[in-house]
Amino acid sequence: EAGVAQSPRYKIIEKRQSVAFWCNPISGHATLYWYQQILGQGPKLLIQFQNNGVVDDSQLPKDRFSAERLKGVDSTLKIQPAKLEDSAVYLCASSLVRGRATYNEQFFGPGTRLTVL
Amino acid sequence: SQKIEQNSEALNIQEGKTATLTCNYTNYSPAYLQWYRQDPGRGPVFLLLIRENEKEKRKERLKVTFDTTLKQSLFHITASQPADSATYLCALARGESWGKLQFGAGTQVVVTP
Repeated sequence: EAGVAQSPRYKIIEKRQSVAFWCNPISGHATLYWYQQILGQGPKLLIQFQNNGVVDDSQLPKDRFSAERLKGVDSTLKIQPAKLEDSAVYLCASSLVRGRATYNEQFFGPGTRLTVL
Repeated sequence: SQKIEQNSEALNIQEGKTATLTCNYTNYSPAYLQWYRQDPGRGPVFLLLIRENEKEKRKERLKVTFDTTLKQSLFHITASQPADSATYLCALARGESWGKLQFGAGTQVVVTP
């Protein structure tokens, strides 16, 4: 079974530039998550999709971050414009969660390491 | 929101010994708790899940306990091996939250031969 795919693996940009990350979840997984992991910290949830609808985006800095999941499969996360503090690893995860009261393990991709100069 | 505390200092342990990690939380009592392993440059990998009405879960050399009175989970690696060296993350979830997790910062484990 193929895992969660992410690209690119690494990205270096100047502050105020824009950047986009792509994620392809495990086939059949209805739930998709984007996390930000700053060095030395645990993953912080940015946005959670259930199929192509947003379930939670309470910690997404909406003035600069946006995400979409067209057709309920793959997803893109964009930052525009980037700030120095956005330097982090951006992780995508997917899960079989199909209901509000259900819970399953999350499968993570390898992440994209973003450096903002 | 929930505050999750894991030992920030690395745990150095000799091969064959048992490593014990703690995860303490405040505020709400989670519906369930998960433990993940993360190697450098990789995404976290799921290890174990324990529900609020369970006291203990085991999987091979791994054991998790959950004490809702103490607001604490303990994660044990028995007969540790150098290959167990990694960062271990605990993650908590409320009930009816579509599987949303809040992660701790993780504890690094270093197993020396």
